[in-house]
Amino acid sequence: RKEVEQDPGPFNVPEGATVAFNCTYSNSASQSFFWYRQDCRKEPKLLMSVYSSGNEDGRFTAQLNRASQYISLLIRDSKLSDSATYLCVVRNSGYALNFGKGTSLLVTP
Amino acid sequence: EAQVTQNPRYLITVTGKKLTVTCSQNMNHEYMSWYRQDPGLGLRQIYYSMNVEVTDKGDVPEGYKVSRKEKRNFPLILESPSPNQTSLYFCASSFSGSDEQYFGPGTRLTVT
Repeated sequence: RKEVEQDPGPFNVPEGATVAFNCTYSNSASQSFFWYRQDCRKEPKLLMSVYSSGNEDGRFTAQLNRASQYISLLIRDSKLSDSATYLCVVRNSGYALNFGKGTSLLVTP
Repeated sequence: EAQVTQNPRYLITVTGKKLTVTCSQNMNHEYMSWYRQDPGLGLRQIYYSMNVEVTDKGDVPEGYKVSRKEKRNFPLILESPSPNQTSLYFCASSFSGSDEQYFGPGTRLTVT
C-alpha cells in the first residue's frame, strides 16, 4: 500500500465552484504535511503547509485529521488559473518525503 | 535571484553511457534531494543529502549515485543508464528538510 494516497481525478469544475481534495497517509508517525501545486510537467511549488489546527490562505483551506490520517484541501471560488495538479506530501520521522500521485483539477469557464 | 538550477534540461542518450545531471542552489540550503517523476507513479525520491558529505537513499536509489562535496551542488550520476531510467528528474533544496522544498526546472532524460 502506497504511503500517501490521493484520488487522481480529474476534477472538472466550473469557475466559482468550491472543490475539495482528500489525501490519506498510512504512517501514523508522520510529522509534516504539505500541499504542493504542479503545472503541466513543471516543477512543483509549495501551496501551503498543513497544521493540526488547520490553516487558511485566501481561497485555500487545509485541514489535518491525525486520528483518521487524512489531509484535505478546500478551494473556494475556483479560478481558471487554479487548473493544475495538487500533490499531497508527507514527511515521516526522518527527512524523506512521500508524495501522493497528485489530483488533477481543471476549472472551466 | 534565489533558484535551483539543473543541467542539462533535456538529454537523449544510449544504454550504458555514463551521464551526470548537475544541480546547484544559491540559497545556502543544507538539504538537497533528487526525485524522478513517471506517469501514474508520481514523484519518487531517489537520494537526499542533509549536508556536505551526508547522503541517504530514498525510495528508488538503484542505478543512481550522488555526491555532496560542496553545499551548493548535488549531482546525480547514472553510471550505466538503462531505458527504465527514462523519466523526468527534479532536484530540490530546503533549509532543513522539514520545510518548503524549492524545486529545479526538471531534466527530461530519455535512454534508448
